[in-house]
Amino acid sequence: GDSVTQMEGPVTLSEEAFLTINCTYTATGYPSLFWYVQYPGEGLQLLLKATKADDKGSNKGFEATYRKETTSFHLEKGSVQVSDSAVYFCALNSGGNEKLTFGTGTRLTIIP
Amino acid sequence: GAGVSQSPSNKVTEKGKDVELRCDPISGHTALYWYRQSLGQGLEFLIYFQGNSAPDKSGLPSDRFSAERTGGSVSTLTIQRTQQEDSAVYLCASTSGGETQYFGPGTRLLVL
Repeated sequence: GDSVTQMEGPVTLSEEAFLTINCTYTATGYPSLFWYVQYPGEGLQLLLKATKADDKGSNKGFEATYRKETTSFHLEKGSVQVSDSAVYFCALNSGGNEKLTFGTGTRLTIIP
Repeated sequence: GAGVSQSPSNKVTEKGKDVELRCDPISGHTALYWYRQSLGQGLEFLIYFQGNSAPDKSGLPSDRFSAERTGGSVSTLTIQRTQQEDSAVYLCASTSGGETQYFGPGTRLLVL
């Protein structure tokens, strides 16, 4: 079945540091890939997505590229801010109205 | 417009009692999903509705769990004879038929 393997946390970085959170997946067919973010005390929000190979999703300075050859969708940001502190979830959807399969989540803390 | 809403936001119950959790999806969204977020298990899919029917119930953990959706809108997740391992945050999401799921704030359930 489908699965998502995500970088274990927690991750602590200083403000303005470069961020990478690794995500790899196993799926049949050609899934769509997502990063969701959960800020403290809030619900899950879509951060970015990519629906086919080589697509790059981007939002709020975050980027992730759909790499079919390595089955990866790593999340990156060039300069993190304190406000980026949250839990980040990588997820996939095998098509249409299928359920989301999530990774375990990575808690990110940015210190000033 | 309004997002996905869930009620109650918090629920404390005693072991063995039944609980009902409610989800109001975004107006016009035909697909509705329930997920559970717990410390030990991460984010797990429970059930998916398309309209009022549930083509995928594969994530319901036991026959104590059931869900229904009426009028293609509101959904209720019912847990009978609650156990302590049912303690979790129950999340609802909806979509209009695309792949992006929009999540509600969740119901935090604590079974004593």
